[in-house]
Amino acid sequence: GNSVTQMEGPVTLSEEAFLTINCTYTATGYPSLFWYVQYPGEGLQLLLKATKADDKGSNKGFEATYRKETTSFHLEKGSVQVSDSAVYFCALIDQGAQKLVFGQGTRLTINP
Amino acid sequence: DAGVIQSPRHEVTEMGQEVTLRCKPISGHDYLFWYRQTMMRGLELLIYFNNNVPIDDSGMPEDRFSAKMPNASFSTLKIQPSEPRDSAVYFCASRTGLNTEAFFGQGTRLTVV
Repeated sequence: GNSVTQMEGPVTLSEEAFLTINCTYTATGYPSLFWYVQYPGEGLQLLLKATKADDKGSNKGFEATYRKETTSFHLEKGSVQVSDSAVYFCALIDQGAQKLVFGQGTRLTINP
Repeated sequence: DAGVIQSPRHEVTEMGQEVTLRCKPISGHDYLFWYRQTMMRGLELLIYFNNNVPIDDSGMPEDRFSAKMPNASFSTLKIQPSEPRDSAVYFCASRTGLNTEAFFGQGTRLTVV
């Protein structure tokens, strides 16, 4: 079945550091891929998405590229801020059932 | 649009009591999802609906849990009787179209004492 695997957390970085959160997936076909962010006490918000191979999603300085050959969708940001502290979820859409399949989430903490 | 609206935001109840969580999806969305989030198990899909019809309830943990969607603008998740292990944050989400993202509500934090 479809599944998403994220790098183990938690991740702690200093402000202005480079961020990578790894995400790989297993799926039939070519699912749309998403990154969601959850700030403390809030629901999940869409951060970015990509719908086909080689697409790059970007938002708020974050980027992720849909890599079909490696079945990956790694999240990157060149210079993180304290306000980026949150839990990040990688997800794909099961094209048959049309439901989102989430990774386990990665907690990111940025220290000033 | 105000987004997905859930109520209440917080609920504290005693073990054995009935709990009802409510969700209003975004207007025009034809899929509705109920998730549960805990530290131990992460984000779990409980049940989802398409055009008000339950499609997959395999994530519902026990018969104590039930969900309904009487119309396109309202859904409930009911736990009867509630137990302390049901304590979690429950999220509702909705979406429309093929291969598109879902929009989440703010969640209901349930505490069963």
